[in-house]
Amino acid sequence: GAVVSQHPSRVICKSGTSVKIECRSLDFQATTMFWYRQFPKQSLMLMATSNEGSKATYEQGVEKDKFLINHASLTLSTLTVTSAHPEDSSFYICSATNGVDFWETQYFGPGTRLLVL
Amino acid sequence: KNEVEQSPQNLTAQEGEFITINCSYSVGISALHWLQQHPGGGIVSLFMLSSGKKKHGRLIATINIQEKHSSLHITASHPRDSAVYICAVPSIQGAQKLVFGQGTRLTINP
Repeated sequence: GAVVSQHPSRVICKSGTSVKIECRSLDFQATTMFWYRQFPKQSLMLMATSNEGSKATYEQGVEKDKFLINHASLTLSTLTVTSAHPEDSSFYICSATNGVDFWETQYFGPGTRLLVL
Repeated sequence: KNEVEQSPQNLTAQEGEFITINCSYSVGISALHWLQQHPGGGIVSLFMLSSGKKKHGRLIATINIQEKHSSLHITASHPRDSAVYICAVPSIQGAQKLVFGQGTRLTINP
């Protein structure tokens, strides 16, 4: 089946620094990628929807200047957490789809665990 | 916006038992996802279904669109089935965005 990778799988950074997380579709072209955040023992929450070549659409309450999303190619989307703070510590997951009917082709990455000290 | 409720929140069973996890949602949909999240966090899509029943190995998923309810069953459960099982539906009918249930934490003891 289609594979989505994320890098890094785990990152620890100091407060105030920026962290970039990559999401790659390894064997298909991802027209749309979704970025989710999951706090411990909570459900996944959609942060933004990213379409190749256009600006991401952010969910209400998600700061677009803090969580920069770039989807420059059909196989790569990046999420940059700028000026990270301890409250940004979370599990970040991307998913990707390659069809009009996203239900058939949505694949999840393994996630990136971010810890901000 | 769709609201998703899963039950039970936690489930502990002995190896070999038949497992049922339930999911109810509030807004009519065309399809529903069942996902599995292992302790490391990675998510695997188990099923996407829009009607009736689907089976994959020891896993069976059913959905009743009229009653807005879906169930995930595991037959002959095994400790490796221990994970969090999550159902997901469109936020509103026809939408691309997903709304996720809180998940059911399943523990199978040997």
